[in-house]
Amino acid sequence: DAGVIQSPRHEVTEMGQEVTLRCKPISGHDYLFWYRQTMMRGLELLIYFNNNVPIDDSGMPEDRFSAKMPNASFSTLKIQPSEPRDSAVYFCASSLVPGTMNTEAFFGQGTRLTVV
Amino acid sequence: KNQVEQSPQSLIILEGKNCTLQCNYTVSPFSNLRWYKQDTGRGPVSLTIMTFSENTKSNGRYTATLDADTKQSSLHITASQLSDSASYICVVSPRGDYKLSFGAGTTVTVRA
Repeated sequence: DAGVIQSPRHEVTEMGQEVTLRCKPISGHDYLFWYRQTMMRGLELLIYFNNNVPIDDSGMPEDRFSAKMPNASFSTLKIQPSEPRDSAVYFCASSLVPGTMNTEAFFGQGTRLTVV
Repeated sequence: KNQVEQSPQSLIILEGKNCTLQCNYTVSPFSNLRWYKQDTGRGPVSLTIMTFSENTKSNGRYTATLDADTKQSSLHITASQLSDSASYICVVSPRGDYKLSFGAGTTVTVRA
C-alpha cells in the first residue's frame, strides 16, 4: 500500500475562495482523521470518521469547514469561504482501531494551505 | 490546558552527541504513549509505543522511557545523526477514547 495519500500537497488561494482537500486512506483502515497543524497550536483533531460515518466533529472550528467520506477510499475537507487564519498544514490519517497497542495512526504527507 | 507538555521546545546538538526529550502528561485514564518523528514537510511517523506497564522501549538509536506513576516519558537519542533533525511529538492515547492528545513537539537540529 502506498500509505495515506493527500492532494494537493500545496494550495495557495485567495480569501473567500472555496478550498477542497482530498485524502485516500490506507485500504482496510476503518478510521479516518483530519488534523490541522500550526506553529501556535500544534496538531489539532478536526473530525474523525468510522466506517465512513462522521463520529466526532467537535474540533471543526466553524461552519465554514465541512468534511465528507462518501466511500471507504476517499474523504474531503472543504473550507468555504476560506480566510487567512485558515492557513496551516492539514493532515489526514487513518488507522485500524485507534488507541490500541497494535495500531497506529498513519499520516499522509499533508496539504500546506496558504490563504492570502 | 494542553494535557501533554513537552520540553525543551527546541534544541541544537552536534552530530554524534546524545540528547533527551521530555514529555509530561495529565491524560487519564491512559492507554498508551507514542513518540512520533516528523521530518520537515512530512507527516508524523511512529517511533515507539508503550503501555502503562512498560518502562522502556527501543527502536534503534531511539529509546523511550515511561514512568506511569509520575506521568512522565522521555525519548533519548543516542549518537545523533544529521537525519535525526526533525520534530519529535509525544502522543498520548486515552483509554476508551479515540481522541489522541498531542504535545507541541520538540524541534531537534543536529549540526555537523
